[in-house]
Amino acid sequence: EAQVTQNPRYLITVTGKKLTVTCSQNMNHEYMSWYRQDPGLGLRQIYYSMNVEVTDKGDVPEGYKVSRKEKRNFPLILESPSPNQTSLYFCASSLRRGSGANVLTFGAGSRLTVL
Amino acid sequence: QQQVKQSPQSLIVQKGGISIINCAYENTAFDYFPWYQQFPGKGPALLIAIRPDVSEKKEGRFTISFNKSAKQFSLHIMDSQPGDSATYFCAASPGGSYIPTFGRGTSLIVHP
Repeated sequence: EAQVTQNPRYLITVTGKKLTVTCSQNMNHEYMSWYRQDPGLGLRQIYYSMNVEVTDKGDVPEGYKVSRKEKRNFPLILESPSPNQTSLYFCASSLRRGSGANVLTFGAGSRLTVL
Repeated sequence: QQQVKQSPQSLIVQKGGISIINCAYENTAFDYFPWYQQFPGKGPALLIAIRPDVSEKKEGRFTISFNKSAKQFSLHIMDSQPGDSATYFCAASPGGSYIPTFGRGTSLIVHP
């Protein structure tokens, strides 16, 4: 089944304790992206990657890191989490269509709570 | 600044009614306008999309209306059902870009 898999789905952690949220896709998609979803603010892009070893900042990159060493994986790293990073996180991927009609496939989400 | 403005933030409709969600954009370079549907506990998924060369696209009970001159587009859900209760996001992408800009979402509740 074509899908984007995120882990963990739920995580409670404490301020300053480094964590990684993994994302993997099995569709050979070039483009991958991380979003956070907060009430009233919708989906805000954190980082994205056009292909292996190519990453760029989205709208809210502060406090996050990413890497794209393999095409299928795009982990999100919070090196020193803070309570304002408590949110619902989504990984998404798509083919790079020249027409711009990119259909994003989203993971099921990772709910992170930072105490 | 919001490049895609979505309204209303929440919407309550009776079963069988019409749900209407509106979006407006500023960037005239946008040329692909998808709508995503998100059920509780799930990630968003593509529902329907339109290009600006047509004014309307219909798929079942879901219709996108597009007004290029006004830079507005809307989602109409006819005969709304409780199973349509979800959060709906409009989005827009410039030509040749893979990066959509999302509206802030509309939480739709359809009462039985």
